[in-house]
Amino acid sequence: GIQVEQSPPDLILQEGANSTLRCNFSDSVNNLQWFHQNPWGQLINLFYIPSGTKQNGRLSATTVATERYSLLYISSSQTTDSGVYFCAAEGISNFGNEKLTFGTGTRLTIIP
Amino acid sequence: SAVISQKPSRDICQRGTSLTIQCQVDSQVTMMFWYRQQPGQSLTLIATANQGSEATYESGFVIDKFPISRPNLTFSTLTVSNMSPEDSSIYLCSVEFFSEQYFGPGTRLTVT
Repeated sequence: GIQVEQSPPDLILQEGANSTLRCNFSDSVNNLQWFHQNPWGQLINLFYIPSGTKQNGRLSATTVATERYSLLYISSSQTTDSGVYFCAAEGISNFGNEKLTFGTGTRLTIIP
Repeated sequence: SAVISQKPSRDICQRGTSLTIQCQVDSQVTMMFWYRQQPGQSLTLIATANQGSEATYESGFVIDKFPISRPNLTFSTLTVSNMSPEDSSIYLCSVEFFSEQYFGPGTRLTVT
């Protein structure tokens, strides 16, 4: 199955700073999503982005499918951005049995 | 998007007992997914539940330990059987809706 790697594993930033999180995947993808898991454990959808660029407020994401990576940008960080960010990818299969595979996550801590 | 609820939100159970987790979705969906998140780890898919057929389990997970029911298109249950402290995790229900995957709030299980 597809392999998904995220970097950095941990990131500590001052409030107001910008950050870039990276997700590398090992194969072509049907589906790539970014999630934020808040301190209470809830997983929140950020982006569905198998290719291209999307923006939502202070967050944006870019997936370069041909080079097998995706980036999540967070600008003007706020303490509420703290938590774990997961990238998840679903590879392309001739058998239709691919599943969403999660990366190991990036733990972001924003200091006031 | 899909709105997913889970019950219970958390529980503390004794080893050797079983717990059934309920997942309710506000829309009819073909597939429902059950994930486990061990402390400090990423998400691992346990099984995929289709209405009207047996659940499909991922490598390392078996029906005797994690029986699943899927009686209709909006509801599923996961039972964690004969629990041990290693089963202490967050268990999450998920659905795919228009190519995007959405997650319930999770059930935080502690086994003593």
